[in-house]
Amino acid sequence: GAVVSQHPSRVICKSGTSVKIECRSLDFQATTMFWYRQFPKQSLMLMATSNEGSKATYEQGVEKDKFLINHASLTLSTLTVTSAHPEDSSFYICSASGRGLDTQYFGPGTRLTVL
Amino acid sequence: QQQVKQSPQSLIVQKGGISIINCAYENTAFDYFPWYQQFPGKGPALLIAIRPDVSEKKEGRFTISFNKSAKQFSLHIMDSQPGDSATYFCAASIISGTYKYIFGTGTRLKVLA
Repeated sequence: GAVVSQHPSRVICKSGTSVKIECRSLDFQATTMFWYRQFPKQSLMLMATSNEGSKATYEQGVEKDKFLINHASLTLSTLTVTSAHPEDSSFYICSASGRGLDTQYFGPGTRLTVL
Repeated sequence: QQQVKQSPQSLIVQKGGISIINCAYENTAFDYFPWYQQFPGKGPALLIAIRPDVSEKKEGRFTISFNKSAKQFSLHIMDSQPGDSATYFCAASIISGTYKYIFGTGTRLKVLA
């Protein structure tokens, strides 16, 4: 149990376009979802926390208008990278937690490459 | 006070040996300490986790040792195998809060065949 999926697994886009990444909890209700960014050989950097039906809480230094997060249902959260630039290229990972779960379950990640 | 310090940064162990990774924290409000394993290009997978009311937890070849007074916890991988070669992250969280994790910086483990 406690499976989290992400789609797509890889995406390549041109500079200036927007990219949407989906994160789904497959077998539990995710009351809280988290979005992380990870650079090569580095730790996970929390970008934002979202609770179902509420606005996301962004970490200091993360641009809200650039990284749009929506958590419209208990099984789906989306991260939209708006007007992507090469410096946004990274590995984006979501995680989810739910009622009765004391841990975060991570998705497989999405590799974003902006040309 | 929100930091979790992890060491070593990298570790090389012979097959069959014991791998030990250490983490230290400062915030005494933390009450949940998970360890994650991450392979290249994949998301982290939960290995084992511990609460501060126990000093040790074992699951298969993986053991967490927890020292509340020293504010330290460690992961021991017994009989290390080449398939254990991965990056390991410790984390700390406050369960009654937002479940937000503070991650360690990671340890790249390589187990030699």
